[in-house]
Amino acid sequence: GEDVEQSLFLSVREGDSSVINCTYTDSSSTYLYWYKQEPGAGLQLLTYIFSNMDMKQDQRLTVLLNKKDKHLSLRIADTQTGDSAIYFCAESTSGYSTLTFGKGTMLLVSP
Amino acid sequence: DTGVSQNPRHKITKRGQNVTFRCDPISEHNRLYWYRQTLGQGPEFLTYFQNEAQLEKSRLLSDRFSAERPKGSFSTLEIQRTEQGDSAMYLCASSLGQPAYEQFFGPGTRLTVL
Repeated sequence: GEDVEQSLFLSVREGDSSVINCTYTDSSSTYLYWYKQEPGAGLQLLTYIFSNMDMKQDQRLTVLLNKKDKHLSLRIADTQTGDSAIYFCAESTSGYSTLTFGKGTMLLVSP
Repeated sequence: DTGVSQNPRHKITKRGQNVTFRCDPISEHNRLYWYRQTLGQGPEFLTYFQNEAQLEKSRLLSDRFSAERPKGSFSTLEIQRTEQGDSAMYLCASSLGQPAYEQFFGPGTRLTVL
């Protein structure tokens, strides 16, 4: 079945770049997503990328996709303490279908 | 646009009791999803609706769970004869019927079964 794996924890200093990695197994994954979850809050979509793209940049966020290796990464430039949260990688096979999530990476940004 | 709302936000119940949660999606969204999230895990899909039709159910959804969306607007998720293993955050999300890439999530209902 489908599986999405992420490293569980990342700690960075404010101002540094953060890179969160994700691997997935479903070769039919068409859409790949990064969601952010802050304590007590719902999931917030940060960005997404289609499987026919290699890279997507959106302000401080850069998503890289290596489809051959089924590897996705999220880079946050100039990380701020407000970026501390849990980041989830998710995949779906179509724009309609359900999402399969990883277990999440807790990002801790220290001043 | 008031976003996806869920009620109640917290529910504490005793084992064996029935509970019902409600989700109100964004008004023009005709797809509605239920997920369950336990501590330290990502959300896991339970079921989804297009309008009032329940199109898919996960094998996680035992026969004690039932979901409805009677008029294609709000949805309810009922758990009968709750068990301690049902303790989790129950998340609702909605999206447009078109190939829309974002599912908008509600704040969740946290269920604790004693």
